Amino acid sequence: EIVMTQSPATLSVSPGERATLSCRASQSVSSNLAWYQQKPGQAPRLLIYGASTRATGIPARFSASGSGTEFTLTISSLQSEDFAVYYCQQVSHWPLTFGGGTKVEIK
Amino acid sequence: EVQLLESGGGLAQPGGSLRLSCAASGFTFSSYAMSWVRQAPGKGLEWVSLIGDNGDFTNYADSVKGRFTISRDNSRDTLYLQMNSLRAEDTAVYYCTKDLNGYPPHFFDYWGQGSLVTVSS
Repeated sequence: EIVMTQSPATLSVSPGERATLSCRASQSVSSNLAWYQQKPGQAPRLLIYGASTRATGIPARFSASGSGTEFTLTISSLQSEDFAVYYCQQVSHWPLTFGGGTKVEIK
Repeated sequence: EVQLLESGGGLAQPGGSLRLSCAASGFTFSSYAMSWVRQAPGKGLEWVSLIGDNGDFTNYADSVKGRFTISRDNSRDTLYLQMNSLRAEDTAVYYCTKDLNGYPPHFFDYWGQGSLVTVSS
């Protein structure tokens, strides 16, 4: 099983600042990686797929990069609605696996 | 508009069974693989199972293999998850998800609102 490790577990950021989230895979997943955002009481929402492609309707302040085992999600200027938990997921190998999540909270 | 509506959750005893359903609308259901993803209270996401567009392919997380069965009825645009031999650790919100594309890789672009399953005596 591929283990996805996200860091940090919690990120405290002020509105308007930049946030950088990391995701590491225990073995290469090529570009078969997604990022999801989840707000309290809501289902997750697809932000990024193919490691760097924004899903429909996702604002340009969300960007992502990486391939192989190292991935990054960047939120260029945090808005109030961006404070949430973010998960990465690899879809390269069975079983499909998620990272433990990074909570982005207001500083 | 794509909609995924789960039902069938509730309270079950350890060793018991439940069947979840997910009614899909707003897209050609038979063209997409579908999955179940769960989230234990206060925890992260765990993929549970996936079924191919015509039901010929299925895969499961080790934690549920042999106990859960995923199926679909393309004539009813409905996805199912039969859960047997339930354990306390199966307690979670179960989400139904739709694949982004009609082919791998399996990114999940739509999620249902979730159905809570509680396993307790």
